[in-house]
Amino acid sequence: QQKVQQSPESLIVPEGGMASLNCTFSDRNSQYFWWYRQHSGEGPKALMSIFSNGDKKEGRFTAHLNKASLHVSLHIKDSQPSDSALYFCAVNSNMGYKLTFGTGTSLLVDP
Amino acid sequence: GGIITQTPKFLIGQEGQKLTLKCQQNFNHDTMYWYRQDSGKGLRLIYYSITENDLQKGDLSEGYDASREKKSSFSLTVTSAQKNEMAVFLCASSTGDSDYTFGSGTRLLVI
Repeated sequence: QQKVQQSPESLIVPEGGMASLNCTFSDRNSQYFWWYRQHSGEGPKALMSIFSNGDKKEGRFTAHLNKASLHVSLHIKDSQPSDSALYFCAVNSNMGYKLTFGTGTSLLVDP
Repeated sequence: GGIITQTPKFLIGQEGQKLTLKCQQNFNHDTMYWYRQDSGKGLRLIYYSITENDLQKGDLSEGYDASREKKSSFSLTVTSAQKNEMAVFLCASSTGDSDYTFGSGTRLLVI
């Protein structure tokens, strides 16, 4: 059974700073990796995906994947107060449709 | 653009009661999901359905039933509410391996 762990549980960064979120997974057959963001009172929204080893940049957000190390990370540059939210890593299992979500990292950007 | 609607937004039930949560989507997505979100435990899959009248158990299916009578709707039933239970139930839809679109959730409190 796929296990997805995130660290840290919570993170406070100053406005304009860099936030780094980490995620480890257990199934070496995992193929698709997503980051979701959830603001208070809302459902999670897909932020970005990464399918190949290396970096993928979308604006202020950079995802990094290392399948051999079973590790994926998200880095948020120039953090804004609106980035304050719960962030989930989600991993596609080798059974196709099911995404397994991590436990989440709560990010607070201090203005 | 489409929308995924969950009803009710808030649900207060009594111990032992059977409670039904509803989800409707107009994306024409094939696959729909029910997740439970507890503080500190991330999102855990209860049931999913890859097409009309299909049902697949997730990791947390015990104590729940689900129904997918139409492509656009997916219902979840808590068969016997547990006292002091408090959680958010999230419905999502997708086209197979694409990103999920989530509803805003049903917040359940059992007294």
